[in-house]
Amino acid sequence: AQRVTQPEKLLSVFKGAPVELKCNYSYSGSPELFWYVQYSRQRLQLLLRHISRESIKGFTADLNKGETSFHLKKPFAQEEDSAMYYCALSDIQGAQKLVFGQGTRLTINP
Amino acid sequence: EAQVTQNPRYLITVTGKKLTVTCSQNMNHEYMSWYRQDPGLGLRQIYYSMNVEVTDKGDVPEGYKVSRKEKRNFPLILESPSPNQTSLYFCASSSQGKPNYGYTFGSGTRLTVV
Repeated sequence: AQRVTQPEKLLSVFKGAPVELKCNYSYSGSPELFWYVQYSRQRLQLLLRHISRESIKGFTADLNKGETSFHLKKPFAQEEDSAMYYCALSDIQGAQKLVFGQGTRLTINP
Repeated sequence: EAQVTQNPRYLITVTGKKLTVTCSQNMNHEYMSWYRQDPGLGLRQIYYSMNVEVTDKGDVPEGYKVSRKEKRNFPLILESPSPNQTSLYFCASSSQGKPNYGYTFGSGTRLTVV
């Protein structure tokens, strides 16, 4: 079965420090991985897709199939990065059902 | 503007009183889905629909119904709400095409059942 684990419910870092949000998954097939972000009182927004290998708002994420991980990283955190972050997995062959992790609340301290 | 619209944004109701949360998308997406978001549990899928008249259960379907009579609309129905259905609900839609661009989410509906 598909499963996504975000081991940290809360993560707090200082402005300007590097940040890494961990995501591990279990899936026997070929997954597509995503990061979604939810700012305070807003809807979830797509932040990154692993397949596009893009950098959005300074965030990057690399799919490591050997470690089954898709950690989200940013070298210099900014206060506006404070939000709830969800890692999600979709079956590359299937009906695009997304399975979400439990989420990590990131707080950037000034 | 491409979007998913949910109504209402906030709803307080009493146990057992039937309610419907509406969801509409203007992107001609085939795939639509309902999630509930609870602290510590993340987002869990309630029901999804791959196209008109095609719906299926997600991970937590108990106590919910859906219908997909038109491509743009995917209402969530609670026939007899109970307090454990107090939650934040999100509707989402996606194109079935490749590549997978992920979901577009609605603004959410905060439901309280007393």
